[in-house]
Amino acid sequence: DVVMTQSPLSLPVTLGQPASISCRSSRSLVHSDGNTYLNWFQQRPGQSPRRLIYRVSNRDSGVPDRFSGSGSGTDFTLKISRVEAEDVGVYFCMQGTHWPYTFGQGTKLEIK
Amino acid sequence: EVQLLESGGGLVQPGESLRLSCAASGFTFSSYSMGWVRQALGKGLEWVSAIGSSGSPAFYTDSVKGRFTVSRDNSKSTLYLQMNSLGDDDTAVYYCAKGGSNGCREVDTWGQGTLVTVSS
Repeated sequence: DVVMTQSPLSLPVTLGQPASISCRSSRSLVHSDGNTYLNWFQQRPGQSPRRLIYRVSNRDSGVPDRFSGSGSGTDFTLKISRVEAEDVGVYFCMQGTHWPYTFGQGTKLEIK
Repeated sequence: EVQLLESGGGLVQPGESLRLSCAASGFTFSSYSMGWVRQALGKGLEWVSAIGSSGSPAFYTDSVKGRFTVSRDNSKSTLYLQMNSLGDDDTAVYYCAKGGSNGCREVDTWGQGTLVTVSS
């Protein structure tokens, strides 16, 4: 199975400051159809996951533009330009290129 | 609004069976792949199974192959997961998930989850 490794696992951030989460895969996530199926999800306390980003850098409708995704191949990043209180939660990356699809361990973002 | 409502979770003993259901609304169910993802308490997320829009193909993670069966009834907009020979490692919240434009590779919506507890 493809191993997804996130870092850091804990991310204390001051309100208004930027945050960055890294996600690395154990093999390339470029699919034979040319797409790279790397998604980012946010899971707020007590809630189910919500997709933020799909195919590396496509932001979902309703997701604030302070969230952005980048990367290629095996190395990906989720950035929050200015952290707000509502961003508290756990962030997961997920690869959808190779079955079984797999998730990173999760990064817990908290306000410092 | 897309809604996914899971049901069927509960407490069972090791070796017993359980069937989960996921009632979908707010979208054309028959046009989308669907799947099940689980999360053990305090642990990460794990894809369990995925199924194509018409009922095939179906995929399973290795740990549930031969024990779990995913199916769907497009006339009822409902997804199912039949779980047999349950073990302690199957204890988790099970989420129903809707595939995106490229199937479950881009799962775009999750249900609220249903808790399955396997314990003697």
